[in-house]
Amino acid sequence: GEDVEQSLFLSVREGDSSVINCTYTDSSSTYLYWYKQEPGAGLQLLTYIFSNMDMKQDQRLTVLLNKKDKHLSLRIADTQTGDSAIYFCAESRNAGNMLTFGGGTRLMVKP
Amino acid sequence: GAGVSQSPSNKVTEKGKDVELRCDPISGHTALYWYRQRLGQGLEFLIYFQGNSAPDKSGLPSDRFSAERTGESVSTLTIQRTQQEDSAVYLCASSLVSEIQYFGAGTRLSVL
Repeated sequence: GEDVEQSLFLSVREGDSSVINCTYTDSSSTYLYWYKQEPGAGLQLLTYIFSNMDMKQDQRLTVLLNKKDKHLSLRIADTQTGDSAIYFCAESRNAGNMLTFGGGTRLMVKP
Repeated sequence: GAGVSQSPSNKVTEKGKDVELRCDPISGHTALYWYRQRLGQGLEFLIYFQGNSAPDKSGLPSDRFSAERTGESVSTLTIQRTQQEDSAVYLCASSLVSEIQYFGAGTRLSVL
């Protein structure tokens, strides 16, 4: 079945860039997403990318997709303490289908 | 409402009791999803409703779990004879057809 993997933890200093990585196995994945979860809150959609794209940029966020290697990354420029949260990578075959999530990466931003 | 609303936000129950969790989707969203998030883990898909079609129940972990949805509005997830391993955050999401899913804040279920 489908599988999505992420590293568990990332620590960066405020102002540095953060790069969160994700790998997936389903070659039929069409949509890939990044969600942010703050303590006690639901999931906030940060950005998403279609599988026919290599890169998407949205303000401080840059998503890179290597479809050949099934590797997705999220780069946060000028990371702030408010960016501290758990970041989930997810994939689906269609936007209206169920999502398959990775286990989440906890980002800690040190002042 | 402006977003997906779930209630209660927290539920503590005793092992063996039944619980009902409620989800109010974003108005006009025809698709509704339930996911479970165990402590320190990602989300697991449970069930998916799309309009009047038969729901996709492929993620329900056992026959103790069921869900209903009235038309394109409220959904309830019912867990019968709760077990300690059912303790988790239950998240609901809704979307327009073939569009992005938006999540509620979840119901944290604790089974003692």
